[in-house]
Order: sequence, then C-alpha cells, then structure tokens
Amino acid sequence: EVQLLESGGGLVQPGGSLRLSCAASGFSFSSYAMSWVRQAPGKGLEWVSGISGNGGSTYYADSVKGRCTISRDNSKNTVYLQVNSLRAEDTAVYYCARAAVVYGSGNFYNPFDYWGQGTLVTVSS
Amino acid sequence: EIVLTQSPGTLSLSPGERATLSCRASQSVSSRYLAWSQQKPGQAPRLLIHGASSRATGIPDRFSGSGSGTDFTLTISRLEPEDFAVYYCQHYGNSPHTFGQGTKLEIK
Repeated sequence: EVQLLESGGGLVQPGGSLRLSCAASGFSFSSYAMSWVRQAPGKGLEWVSGISGNGGSTYYADSVKGRCTISRDNSKNTVYLQVNSLRAEDTAVYYCARAAVVYGSGNFYNPFDYWGQGTLVTVSS
Repeated sequence: EIVLTQSPGTLSLSPGERATLSCRASQSVSSRYLAWSQQKPGQAPRLLIHGASSRATGIPDRFSGSGSGTDFTLTISRLEPEDFAVYYCQHYGNSPHTFGQGTKLEIK
C-alpha cells in the first residue's frame, strides 16, 4: 500500500525556518518524482516545488524561489522541503504528492496519483 | 505560466443529476498534461482523471473527462451523494505546475 506521511509542520515566527519531511512507503521511491503542494486555509491548491526521481532536477514556484530547497534521500525513502524566511502568506497545509509513472519513470511531468494527509505550517508572531 | 480558470465557482445540483465542470487554460496545452482531482473537507485531493480523459485507478466510470486546446470538461454522469466536493483541474506539462481555483459541487 502506498503511504506518504508528512511531518515537521508547526507554529513558527515570521522570518523563521522549517524543514518538512515526507516519508514514503509501499513503492519504489526512486522511480517517482515528488512534489510539495500547499493549501492556505479555505483556499485552493498551490504547487510549491518538485524533484525528479533521481534528485537531479528540482523545480520551484516563483512564490518560494530563493526561500525553499527541495531534496530527497532515496536511501531513506524521504523527500524534504526546507523553507526559510517564512511569511504569514506561507501559512498552509503542506502536502507531499507522488507523480505517477505515466510519461516516464521519475519524470516530473506526471499527474499526482497519491497524496499525503498534509502537515500544517502556521506563520505567526 | 499556464493560468487555469474553472467555472462555475459553485454548482448546485441534486443526486442523480448530471454535472458539467469547465476548465479553461490561458493558452493551448497538450491534453496529455491535464488532470482533474477531487477534494473533500479535511482530506487530501484524489486524482480522478489524467491526460484529459483517462480515469485513474479505481475511479468509477460515471466520471469522464474531455477537451483539448484551451477548453476541458469534467462530467459526472449521475451524481452520487459522495460526489459533492471541490474539484480542481491541474496542468502538469510545465514548471510551474498550476491548478485552477476549484469548483465547489454542492447539494441543491
């Protein structure tokens, strides 16, 4: 069974940092690209960042570029999102999502077929 | 960046009725990279359709997708009580991936 379990969220002051983790199980992790998607309270979905299966390619939304770093450890079946210089507008549930293997293994340009349950990040003083 | 605009914002229908949800892209996109997802309150999104018209694993055949170019449609042929949720279209052919703002399907 595919499982994605996010952790690392919490309350942080503006300007602070967090590292989110997503532990994967039930599939060959390195064969799949992964992404982070966030959802502010009562709002829609916003893609944040993605990484290819081998970690060689990374992608960022303009809203977080320069403040976020996505990485993965395929030996630990875990993807990470380091978020720095946090702002109130970063407050959201952060989901990790697996990119399906429809158009090539590990390829970022695939639909999200599995999602975790999310971890809440609240940026407030 | 591909901007996706969904309509209507809210759709009020009764169980058993047919639902038609629209997603319009700001420029022509390959249908290969257009998906639809469903999200219920307090839950993560669930993939329904990818490649504009291919149902994801386990998705009932009352859900269908169509379209090309800039105009895409999700159709639910006969609404079941569990279908009332928010639906998002998504484009994943570029970076950044983008989502529409969502259509809320509510019980009339």
